[in-house]
Amino acid sequence: NAGVIQTPRHKVTGKGQEATLWCEPISGHSAVFWYRQTIVQGLEFLTYFRNQAPIDDSGMPKERFSAQMPNQSHSTLKIQSTQPQDSAVYLCASRTRGNYAEQFFGPGTRLTVL
Amino acid sequence: DAKTTQPDSMESTEGETVHLPCSHATISGNEYIYWYRQVPLQGPEYVTHGLQQNTTNSMAFLAIASDRKSSTLILPHVSLRDAAVYHCIRVPSGGSNYKLTFGKGTLLTVTP
Repeated sequence: NAGVIQTPRHKVTGKGQEATLWCEPISGHSAVFWYRQTIVQGLEFLTYFRNQAPIDDSGMPKERFSAQMPNQSHSTLKIQSTQPQDSAVYLCASRTRGNYAEQFFGPGTRLTVL
Repeated sequence: DAKTTQPDSMESTEGETVHLPCSHATISGNEYIYWYRQVPLQGPEYVTHGLQQNTTNSMAFLAIASDRKSSTLILPHVSLRDAAVYHCIRVPSGGSNYKLTFGKGTLLTVTP
């Protein structure tokens, strides 16, 4: 079991460029979560998929951020027109049915916007 | 709104038993206490959780006060691999319990 896989581990973009972050959940896990983590704000929930369907995107900034889960083996988080304040570690987590508060996290993608 | 209060840092030596405190004075009856830990360059790792009774697993022992206003995560015989930031959080039962929110947590340093 390789755990949750996130690629790339580090990404540097220029202001205004697009960034796409990838997540491969643990095989068999039906729930996928995206978070953003910074020193100042801590861990912030972004969005949640269950069985590939979007369930809750209440934490997603309404502009520029979007997430998809085209199949059960991967999810993407896309940030358009990146801004310096988007710099953060973006974490993906997954979970089987059951206790959704017990999540398995990937190592994260560190996004730096210059 | 700091829903839990933890010390910023604690130090220990390998082999010791570490007690990590957490205060949650305003906790509701339907809220669980969860503990996660995180090492640099890695995602958070679930440690344990409890509602009212003390709980134990292979990683830690969670002691919850009888009034539920505080809890202590007890790590027996710590090793260098236990060095991490430990987060104590309140999680509602059901509903949007999947929305985890961490603050700064307690940085546990373990020396040989």
